[in-house]
Amino acid sequence: RKEVEQDPGPFNVPEGATVAFNCTYSNSASQSFFWYRQDCRKEPKLLMSVYSSGNEDGRFTAQLNRASQYISLLIRDSKLSDSATYLCVVKRGYSTLTFGKGTMLLVSP
Amino acid sequence: EAGVTQFPSHSVIEKGQTVTLRCDPISGHDNLYWYRRVMGKEIKFLLHFVKESKQDESGMPNNRFLAERTGGTYSTLKVQPAELEDSGVYFCASSQRGQGSYEQYFGPGTRLTVT
Repeated sequence: RKEVEQDPGPFNVPEGATVAFNCTYSNSASQSFFWYRQDCRKEPKLLMSVYSSGNEDGRFTAQLNRASQYISLLIRDSKLSDSATYLCVVKRGYSTLTFGKGTMLLVSP
Repeated sequence: EAGVTQFPSHSVIEKGQTVTLRCDPISGHDNLYWYRRVMGKEIKFLLHFVKESKQDESGMPNNRFLAERTGGTYSTLKVQPAELEDSGVYFCASSQRGQGSYEQYFGPGTRLTVT
Protein backbone atom coordinates (compact mmCIF):
# COMPACT_ATOMS: atom_id res chain seq x y z
CA ARG A 1 0.00 0.00 0.00
CA LYS A 2 1.30 3.45 -0.91
CA GLU A 3 2.07 5.70 2.03
CA VAL A 4 0.09 8.56 0.48
CA GLU A 5 -2.79 7.81 -1.89
CA GLN A 6 -4.51 10.27 -4.20
CA ASP A 7 -6.97 10.00 -7.07
CA PRO A 8 -4.81 10.86 -10.10
CA GLY A 9 -7.69 12.49 -11.98
CA PRO A 10 -7.75 14.43 -14.20
CA PHE A 11 -10.52 16.53 -12.79
CA ASN A 12 -12.01 18.60 -15.60
CA VAL A 13 -14.04 21.53 -14.29
CA PRO A 14 -15.35 24.79 -15.77
CA GLU A 15 -14.22 28.15 -14.50
CA GLY A 16 -16.05 29.12 -11.35
CA ALA A 17 -16.68 25.56 -10.22
CA THR A 18 -15.87 24.17 -6.81
CA VAL A 19 -13.64 21.10 -6.77
CA ALA A 20 -12.45 18.88 -3.93
CA PHE A 21 -9.46 16.59 -3.74
CA ASN A 22 -8.93 13.87 -1.19
CA CYS A 23 -5.89 12.08 0.07
CA THR A 24 -5.27 9.28 2.57
CA TYR A 25 -2.05 8.44 4.35
CA SER A 26 -1.09 5.15 5.94
CA ASN A 27 1.46 6.07 8.59
CA SER A 28 -0.23 7.25 11.77
CA ALA A 29 3.13 8.66 12.94
CA SER A 30 2.93 11.38 10.28
CA GLN A 31 3.15 14.75 11.93
CA SER A 32 2.82 17.47 9.34
CA PHE A 33 0.64 17.72 6.28
CA PHE A 34 0.75 19.88 3.19
CA TRP A 35 -0.67 20.49 -0.23
CA TYR A 36 1.86 21.34 -2.91
CA ARG A 37 1.10 22.54 -6.39
CA GLN A 38 3.15 21.48 -9.40
CA ASP A 39 2.79 23.03 -12.82
CA CYS A 40 3.77 21.01 -15.87
CA ARG A 41 7.54 20.45 -15.98
CA LYS A 42 8.08 22.73 -13.00
CA GLU A 43 9.08 22.20 -9.40
CA PRO A 44 6.59 21.57 -6.59
CA LYS A 45 5.62 24.68 -4.64
CA LEU A 46 3.96 24.78 -1.25
CA LEU A 47 0.31 25.74 -1.55
CA MET A 48 -0.65 25.42 2.09
CA SER A 49 -0.08 23.52 5.28
CA VAL A 50 -2.97 21.49 6.67
CA TYR A 51 -4.11 21.60 10.28
CA SER A 52 -6.63 19.53 12.23
CA SER A 53 -8.70 22.61 12.87
CA GLY A 54 -8.95 23.25 9.16
CA ASN A 55 -7.45 26.25 7.46
CA GLU A 56 -8.40 28.57 4.67
CA ASP A 57 -6.36 30.72 2.32
CA GLY A 58 -8.55 32.71 0.00
CA ARG A 59 -10.36 30.28 -2.28
CA PHE A 60 -8.52 27.29 -0.84
CA THR A 61 -9.60 25.30 2.21
CA ALA A 62 -7.65 22.38 3.63
CA GLN A 63 -8.82 19.90 6.22
CA LEU A 64 -7.14 17.10 8.17
CA ASN A 65 -8.87 14.19 9.87
CA ARG A 66 -6.24 12.38 11.94
CA ALA A 67 -8.62 9.64 13.08
CA SER A 68 -9.40 8.68 9.48
CA GLN A 69 -5.91 9.62 8.21
CA TYR A 70 -7.57 11.71 5.55
CA ILE A 71 -6.65 15.09 4.06
CA SER A 72 -8.75 17.24 1.76
CA LEU A 73 -8.38 20.35 -0.36
CA LEU A 74 -11.32 22.41 -1.56
CA ILE A 75 -10.94 25.00 -4.30
CA ARG A 76 -13.79 27.44 -4.77
CA ASP A 77 -14.46 29.63 -7.79
CA SER A 78 -11.86 27.81 -9.92
CA LYS A 79 -9.67 29.93 -12.18
CA LEU A 80 -7.89 28.89 -15.36
CA SER A 81 -4.63 29.48 -13.50
CA ASP A 82 -5.55 26.78 -10.97
CA SER A 83 -4.85 24.14 -13.62
CA ALA A 84 -1.97 22.11 -12.21
CA THR A 85 -1.19 18.90 -10.36
CA TYR A 86 -1.93 19.02 -6.64
CA LEU A 87 0.37 16.92 -4.47
CA CYS A 88 -0.63 15.64 -1.06
CA VAL A 89 2.45 15.55 1.16
CA VAL A 90 3.06 14.24 4.67
CA LYS A 91 6.09 14.59 6.89
CA ARG A 92 7.38 12.36 9.65
CA GLY A 93 9.91 13.78 12.02
CA TYR A 94 11.86 16.84 10.99
CA SER A 95 12.70 16.39 7.41
CA THR A 96 11.48 13.70 5.06
CA LEU A 97 8.57 14.61 2.84
CA THR A 98 6.46 11.78 1.47
CA PHE A 99 4.51 12.64 -1.66
CA GLY A 100 1.40 11.28 -3.26
CA LYS A 101 1.41 10.90 -7.04
CA GLY A 102 -0.73 13.97 -7.40
CA THR A 103 -4.16 14.88 -8.70
CA MET A 104 -4.36 16.73 -12.00
CA LEU A 105 -6.83 19.60 -12.28
CA LEU A 106 -7.84 21.10 -15.61
CA VAL A 107 -9.97 24.23 -15.47
CA SER A 108 -11.60 25.14 -18.77
CA PRO A 109 -13.18 28.43 -19.93
CA GLU B 1 16.82 36.52 -3.27
CA ALA B 2 17.84 33.67 -5.57
CA GLY B 3 15.98 30.42 -5.20
CA VAL B 4 17.35 26.89 -5.34
CA THR B 5 19.22 26.35 -8.57
CA GLN B 6 20.15 23.10 -10.25
CA PHE B 7 22.50 22.24 -13.06
CA PRO B 8 22.15 20.92 -15.68
CA SER B 9 18.47 21.30 -16.47
CA HIS B 10 18.63 18.29 -18.78
CA SER B 11 21.11 15.48 -19.25
CA VAL B 12 21.04 12.63 -21.72
CA ILE B 13 23.63 9.92 -21.19
CA GLU B 14 24.17 6.34 -22.20
CA LYS B 15 23.87 3.41 -19.87
CA GLY B 16 27.14 2.87 -18.06
CA GLN B 17 28.22 6.50 -18.18
CA THR B 18 28.61 8.81 -15.23
CA VAL B 19 26.59 11.93 -14.54
CA THR B 20 26.97 14.54 -11.81
CA LEU B 21 24.09 16.78 -10.85
CA ARG B 22 24.60 19.98 -8.90
CA CYS B 23 22.35 21.85 -6.51
CA ASP B 24 22.88 25.30 -5.03
CA PRO B 25 20.51 25.87 -2.11
CA ILE B 26 19.12 29.18 -0.98
CA SER B 27 21.86 31.11 0.79
CA GLY B 28 21.87 30.41 4.52
CA HIS B 29 19.82 27.24 4.30
CA ASP B 30 21.55 24.49 6.24
CA ASN B 31 19.15 21.76 5.20
CA LEU B 32 19.49 20.35 1.70
CA TYR B 33 17.43 17.50 0.29
CA TRP B 34 17.50 15.40 -2.85
CA TYR B 35 14.33 13.88 -4.29
CA ARG B 36 13.61 11.97 -7.47
CA ARG B 37 10.55 11.44 -9.62
CA VAL B 38 10.63 8.44 -11.91
CA MET B 39 8.05 8.56 -14.71
CA GLY B 40 4.67 7.44 -13.57
CA LYS B 41 5.64 7.37 -9.90
CA GLU B 42 5.51 9.79 -7.03
CA ILE B 43 8.35 12.08 -5.96
CA LYS B 44 10.56 10.12 -3.58
CA PHE B 45 13.05 11.24 -0.96
CA LEU B 46 16.69 10.33 -1.53
CA LEU B 47 18.68 12.01 1.21
CA HIS B 48 19.02 14.94 3.57
CA PHE B 49 22.09 17.01 4.47
CA VAL B 50 22.42 19.26 7.45
CA LYS B 51 25.29 21.48 6.47
CA GLU B 52 27.93 19.03 5.22
CA SER B 53 26.67 16.01 7.18
CA LYS B 54 24.32 13.35 5.87
CA GLN B 55 21.37 13.37 8.25
CA ASP B 56 19.32 10.73 6.47
CA GLU B 57 20.26 8.77 3.37
CA SER B 58 17.63 6.07 3.70
CA GLY B 59 16.15 6.85 0.30
CA MET B 60 19.30 6.34 -1.74
CA PRO B 61 18.50 3.45 -4.10
CA ASN B 62 21.93 1.79 -4.21
CA ASN B 63 25.65 2.40 -4.07
CA ARG B 64 25.75 3.74 -7.61
CA PHE B 65 24.52 7.01 -6.15
CA LEU B 66 26.91 9.26 -4.25
CA ALA B 67 25.93 12.59 -2.75
CA GLU B 68 28.31 15.14 -1.32
CA ARG B 69 28.07 18.57 0.20
CA THR B 70 31.59 19.68 0.89
CA GLY B 71 31.75 22.88 2.89
CA GLY B 72 28.04 22.80 3.55
CA THR B 73 27.13 24.92 0.54
CA TYR B 74 26.31 23.36 -2.81
CA SER B 75 25.71 19.65 -3.23
CA THR B 76 26.45 17.15 -5.97
CA LEU B 77 24.75 13.87 -6.75
CA LYS B 78 26.77 11.48 -8.87
CA VAL B 79 25.35 8.44 -10.58
CA GLN B 80 28.00 5.95 -11.63
CA PRO B 81 27.43 3.85 -13.67
CA ALA B 82 24.01 5.03 -14.80
CA GLU B 83 21.30 2.48 -15.53
CA LEU B 84 18.10 2.86 -17.55
CA GLU B 85 15.95 2.91 -14.42
CA ASP B 86 17.80 5.99 -13.16
CA SER B 87 15.95 8.13 -15.69
CA GLY B 88 13.71 10.70 -14.08
CA VAL B 89 13.63 14.19 -12.66
CA TYR B 90 15.97 14.89 -9.76
CA PHE B 91 14.83 17.69 -7.48
CA CYS B 92 16.85 19.45 -4.86
CA ALA B 93 15.23 21.36 -2.01
CA SER B 94 16.50 23.46 0.85
CA SER B 95 15.12 24.78 4.10
CA GLN B 96 16.23 27.00 6.96
CA ARG B 97 18.67 25.93 9.62
CA GLY B 98 17.47 24.00 12.62
CA GLN B 99 14.82 21.38 12.98
CA GLY B 100 11.17 22.17 12.62
CA SER B 101 8.42 22.64 10.15
CA TYR B 102 10.31 24.93 7.83
CA GLU B 103 9.13 25.08 4.25
CA GLN B 104 11.27 23.18 1.77
CA TYR B 105 11.90 25.22 -1.37
CA PHE B 106 12.42 23.15 -4.47
CA GLY B 107 14.72 23.77 -7.38
CA PRO B 108 13.55 23.39 -10.99
CA GLY B 109 14.97 19.87 -11.23
CA THR B 110 17.37 18.07 -13.52
CA ARG B 111 15.73 15.84 -16.09
CA LEU B 112 17.98 12.81 -16.56
CA THR B 113 17.52 10.45 -19.46
CA VAL B 114 19.60 7.28 -19.61
CA THR B 115 19.53 5.56 -23.00
